[in-house]
Amino acid sequence: EDQVTQSPEALRLQEGESSSLNCSYTVSGLRGLFWYRQDPGKGPEFLFTLYSAGEEKEKERLKATLTKKESFLHITAPKPEDSATYLCAVQAYGNKLVFGAGTILRVKS
Amino acid sequence: DAMVIQNPRYQVTQFGKPVTLSCSQTLNHNVMYWYQQKSSQAPKLLFHYYDKDFNNEADTPDNFQSRRPNTSFCFLDIRSPGLGDAAMYLCATSRSGEHGYTFGSGTRLTVV
Repeated sequence: EDQVTQSPEALRLQEGESSSLNCSYTVSGLRGLFWYRQDPGKGPEFLFTLYSAGEEKEKERLKATLTKKESFLHITAPKPEDSATYLCAVQAYGNKLVFGAGTILRVKS
Repeated sequence: DAMVIQNPRYQVTQFGKPVTLSCSQTLNHNVMYWYQQKSSQAPKLLFHYYDKDFNNEADTPDNFQSRRPNTSFCFLDIRSPGLGDAAMYLCATSRSGEHGYTFGSGTRLTVV
């Protein structure tokens, strides 16, 4: 069974304090790994797709990396507006997305 | 802008009273999904339509049904809502399941 585990469950950072979120996965035949941002009371917003080990994607203060067993979302010098829940999902053969429970990030100024 | 729109944003229903949530899309995507997300939990896939083909997840309760009258619209029907069905319901679309999904803003369902 495909599984996604995210850690930590919650993370509090000071503005400018860089850190990383982890997504470990077990899947038969990875077709893609996705990162989404979800603000309270809203639907997930797409951030990145990674397809193969060694791949990296960047967007502003965010950088996503992928290995054969896990993905990291690195946040460099975060700002309060980066506060949100970050969801990781894997897509295996059959195309369904299986989500992790997310990491709640709070950035204080 | 092309998008996925869910209505209503907030829905309050009585225990046991049927309720319908709606989703429309202007992306012309052929696959539409319904997810249930409870507080601090992962979104859980209920079912999806691949074109007109309905695909139910094995553990989706019979209380949940869906209709897709055309490419643009999809409905989630809850026949007899229980207190445990209170959640955020997310609609998503994709083009043949490729390249991830586009989500709507969700409908927050409260059962009283």
